[in-house]
Amino acid sequence: DIQMTQSPSTLSASVGDRVTITCRASQNIDNLLAWYQQRPGKAPDLLIYRATTLKSGVPSRFSGGGSGTDFTLTISSLQPDDFATYYCEQYDIYPLTFGGGTKVEI
Amino acid sequence: QVQLVQSGAEVKKPGASVKLSCKASGFTYTSHAMHWLRQAPGQGLEWMGWVDAGNGNTRYSQKFQGRLTITRDTSAMTAYMELGSLTSEDTAVYYCARESAGNIDKWFDPWGQGTLVTVSS
Repeated sequence: DIQMTQSPSTLSASVGDRVTITCRASQNIDNLLAWYQQRPGKAPDLLIYRATTLKSGVPSRFSGGGSGTDFTLTISSLQPDDFATYYCEQYDIYPLTFGGGTKVEI
Repeated sequence: QVQLVQSGAEVKKPGASVKLSCKASGFTYTSHAMHWLRQAPGQGLEWMGWVDAGNGNTRYSQKFQGRLTITRDTSAMTAYMELGSLTSEDTAVYYCARESAGNIDKWFDPWGQGTLVTVSS
């Protein structure tokens, strides 16, 4: 199985900060990676797919980068609504696997 | 709008089975695969398997082979997930999710609201 390693597991930040979350795959997955945001008690919401493509309607302060094994999710200016947990997902090879999550907190 | 609505919470005893449903609306149902995933309390996301809503083909994570069955009813636009031989390790929130259209991408949007399954004696 492809292991997805996210870092950090917890990130303390303030409104207005620029934050970057990293996701590393245990083998090359090209650009077949998605990012999700999950608020407490809610289902995940898709943010980005194909590593860099922003889902329609997602604020432009979110951006994705990388390919191969190393990926990033960047929030350019953190807003109160962004305090949540973020997950990466690889969909190159079955079983589909997720990173362990990054909780962004104040 | 595109929506997935899941059935309600379940409490089961060890060794039992549970069957959950996921009703879709707002899109061409048979053009997508429907996936099931789960999230144990305080843990991350785990993919379980999918059903092709068009032809009924399925694919399961090897972890659940033999005790997981995913089906669909196209007339009802509903997918079902049945998991047997439950243990306390199966206590989790179970989500259904629509797979993106096309053959390559397998990202999920939208997700159902989730169904809590509690396995306890």
